[in-house]
Amino acid sequence: GENVGLHLPTLSVQEGDNSIINCAYSNSASDYFIWYKQESGKGPQFIIDIRSNMDKRQGQRVTVLLNKTVKHLSLQIAATQPGDSAVYFCAEKEESNYQLIWGAGTKLIIKP
Amino acid sequence: DTAVSQTPKYLVTQMGNDKSIKCEQNLGHDTMYWYKQDSKKFLKIMFSYNNKELIINETVPNRFSPKSPDKAHLNLHINSLELGDSAVYFCASSLSGGPRTGELFFGEGSRLTVL
Repeated sequence: GENVGLHLPTLSVQEGDNSIINCAYSNSASDYFIWYKQESGKGPQFIIDIRSNMDKRQGQRVTVLLNKTVKHLSLQIAATQPGDSAVYFCAEKEESNYQLIWGAGTKLIIKP
Repeated sequence: DTAVSQTPKYLVTQMGNDKSIKCEQNLGHDTMYWYKQDSKKFLKIMFSYNNKELIINETVPNRFSPKSPDKAHLNLHINSLELGDSAVYFCASSLSGGPRTGELFFGEGSRLTVL
């Protein structure tokens, strides 16, 4: 549905600290989850994904955690850098479905 | 060697006009999308084509008409532009099937401003 009236959540983090961005997903049948990063003036870019048969997946400086019991997804960014400033989106889908369901996005601001 | 390219990047036009945005991908993907992103950054799927066939057609005014001449192109034509059409429109592509079917590759966006 439409997210009318909602504001873009913002998270401010000190440079060098770890960041945790949270996402509550809606469809209990979703079995594939993705995090995207959108820098200013650009399109969203894939960061990391996770399937429902896992609860944790690590990439380079990023970790995604999945809690299916409470339908919660999080993205952890270690040692946050200025280049991490962006809007981060979670997205979910069912394997059999073409369509991604997108979260509202969280703006990450890095304080020097 | 841009993967997903869309033109124009910026478009300023008057209410009532008709305009088109073009998109091309050179990734060999079989699925292409149009998304609308509003000022609050919400991403809303508008259309999706798989192998030139329309597979997603969300509740979008019929003033918006997508056209896919081939798998590598998906254009968006908008008739009778309204103020509420002002947004950033993103084209994206993906490969259906395979381990990362949710991985979309986005273009840089086309910012449409209707005056």
